[in-house]
Amino acid sequence: AQRVTQPEKLLSVFKGAPVELKCNYSYSGSPELFWYVQYSRQRLQLLLRHISRESIKGFTADLNKGETSFHLKKPFAQEEDSAMYYCALSGGRGAGGTSYGKLTFGQGTILTVHP
Amino acid sequence: NAGVTQTPKFRILKIGQSMTLQCAQDMNHNYMYWYRQDPGMGLKLIYYSVGAGITDKGEVPNGYNVSRSTTEDFPLRLELAAPSQTSVYFCASSYFGPHEQYFGPGTRLTVT
Repeated sequence: AQRVTQPEKLLSVFKGAPVELKCNYSYSGSPELFWYVQYSRQRLQLLLRHISRESIKGFTADLNKGETSFHLKKPFAQEEDSAMYYCALSGGRGAGGTSYGKLTFGQGTILTVHP
Repeated sequence: NAGVTQTPKFRILKIGQSMTLQCAQDMNHNYMYWYRQDPGMGLKLIYYSVGAGITDKGEVPNGYNVSRSTTEDFPLRLELAAPSQTSVYFCASSYFGPHEQYFGPGTRLTVT
């Protein structure tokens, strides 16, 4: 069974401070990991995925298979980063290795960046 | 493009009533998903579809049914609503399984 754990429900930092949102996963195969974000009054949307190895809005996330973690980091938080963040894992392949993209979500972390 | 649309936005049901939550996408995506989000919890997959005519159960399918007669539409049917089905329901779609999922705005359902 696959599981995603985000240990912090709430995280508060001041503007300009570094921020790290933790995500740990449990999965027996090769995971595909994502961070989704929901800003106030907006839809849930993809922030970044590990396979892309990109930085989006200053955020990065590195997959650490040894520690089964995929923490989201930003060196200098901004007020507009305040949102709900979800870590998600895509697993479960059908016949022929097809991935159906079924996501398992963590509980989410509400990030508040104070001025 | 409207993206993923969901109707209604809000609904209150009495115990035992039935209803259909509508979901449509205009991006020609093959894959569609239904999730529910309970307070303080992450999203849980109810059902998904990899194309018209093909559906399968997710993590929490009990009490729900789906159909996928067209690529665009993926309605979720609740039969005999129960208080445990009080939740926010999200529909999502993606072009291909591992690709980015695009979410609808959600439907807030209360069963009393």
